[in-house]
Amino acid sequence: EVQLVESGGGLVQPGGSLRLSCAASGFTFSSYSMNWVRQAPGKGLEWVSYISSSSSTIYYADSVKGRFTISRDNAKNSLYLQMNSLRAEDTAVYYCARDHRSEWLSRYYYYMDVWGKGTTVTVSS
Amino acid sequence: DIQMTQSPSSLSASVGDRVTITCRASQSISSYLNWYQQKPGKAPKLLIYAASSLQSGVPSRFSGSGSGTDFTLTISSLQPEDFATYYCQQSYSTPVTFGQGTRLEIK
Repeated sequence: EVQLVESGGGLVQPGGSLRLSCAASGFTFSSYSMNWVRQAPGKGLEWVSYISSSSSTIYYADSVKGRFTISRDNAKNSLYLQMNSLRAEDTAVYYCARDHRSEWLSRYYYYMDVWGKGTTVTVSS
Repeated sequence: DIQMTQSPSSLSASVGDRVTITCRASQSISSYLNWYQQKPGKAPKLLIYAASSLQSGVPSRFSGSGSGTDFTLTISSLQPEDFATYYCQQSYSTPVTFGQGTRLEIK
């Protein structure tokens, strides 16, 4: 079964740090790019970060650039998100999501086809 | 950044109804548009990719159309399990962006 399982969430004070993990199973992790997407309480989905299969390409949302670091360990089938200088507005459920690429009519289309159940991060004093 | 705007923000409908949700991009995104369904307390689920391709395992009552800036998600005959929040998402450029969501409620 294809599966993503996030862990590492919790309560942290403003300015603190947290490291999220996402364990992948049931597919060849090293062949897929990955994303982190978050959802603040009662709000919509917000993309946070992307990492390519070989870690050669990394992107961040402006809201987290310079504070968050995405990484992966293909030998351990794991994705990570190091979150520093946390703010109240970072409070959210954090999902890891697999990035899938499909070719159709000579174009490549990208979408997030597998999602974990999420881990909750609460930033509060 | 490309802004995605969904309408309506919420919608009440009955089982068996035909429902259409609209998503508009702030610039042309060709067919780089995906639709997700999210139920309370659950992770999003991919329904449609590339504007009109049905994800494997998704019931055929779901369909997507559009290109450029205007897109629609249609549910041909609402079932009880379809009451959820729906999001569109563009994958044309980074950062990928989501619409604000459309909450589909039981009338």
